[in-house]
Amino acid sequence: GQNIDQPTEMTATEGAIVQINCTYQTSGFNGLFWYQQHAGEAPTFLSYNVLDGLEEKGRFSSFLSRSKGYSYLLLKELQMKDSASYLCAVKDSNYQLIWGAGTKLIIKP
Amino acid sequence: GAGVSQSPSNKVTEKGKDVELRCDPISGHTALYWYRQSLGQGLEFLIYFQGNSAPDKSGLPSDRFSAERTGGSVSTLTIQRTQQEDSAVYLCASSFRRTLRRASTDTQYFGPGTRLTVL
Repeated sequence: GQNIDQPTEMTATEGAIVQINCTYQTSGFNGLFWYQQHAGEAPTFLSYNVLDGLEEKGRFSSFLSRSKGYSYLLLKELQMKDSASYLCAVKDSNYQLIWGAGTKLIIKP
Repeated sequence: GAGVSQSPSNKVTEKGKDVELRCDPISGHTALYWYRQSLGQGLEFLIYFQGNSAPDKSGLPSDRFSAERTGGSVSTLTIQRTQQEDSAVYLCASSFRRTLRRASTDTQYFGPGTRLTVL
C-alpha cells in the first residue's frame, strides 16, 4: 500500500528552528508537496520538490532524498503565526496526490 | 484573481437527507478535486475531474456519493441519504493541468471548505 508518515505533533519556541520530517512509500514518485493548514482553514501551498536537494524560500526550506523516501520542511525564525498543521503529499505514478495526516506545530513564546 | 470558492461554508443536516456542496474553481483551471477531512485527520481523496475526460471516482466511499462538473467549471458534490460518519469538512481544490499526465508542479489550490454535520 501507499503510506506517508509524519509526526503527529511538534512543539517549538518562537525564534527557534524546527524540522518536520516526512517519509513515504508510494507506487512511483512524481514530486512532493508541503502545505500549511491553519486551524479551520484550507491548506495553502508552501513548496514542491521533485529533484534531490534543498529548496529554499524565505524562512521555509524543503529537502528531498528520493533514494531514502524522505523529505523535511525546515522553518527558521519561528513566529507565532507559524502555529499550524503541515501536510506532506506525494504525487504517485498516476500523478495523484497521496496525503500524510499532517504535523501539528505548536509555537510557544 | 479570485480563488476557489465553496458553498455553503457550513451545512447541518439530519441523517437520511440529501445534501449538495458546490465548488467554483479558479478561472482557467482544468483540474478539479474533491477531498474529505475528518477532525484531526489527513485529506481523503474523493474524486478528480480533468478537462473533458471521464472523472476519476476511485476515492468515493460509497454509491451515495456522486459529483458532476458542468461546463468544465463549477462542480457539485452530492451525498444521498447522509449518515453520521459523513460529517467532515469537504474541500475542493483546482489546478492548471494541461494533460492528464504531466510531470509538472500542478499545484492544487484549495477552497475554504464546507463543514458538514449530520445529526
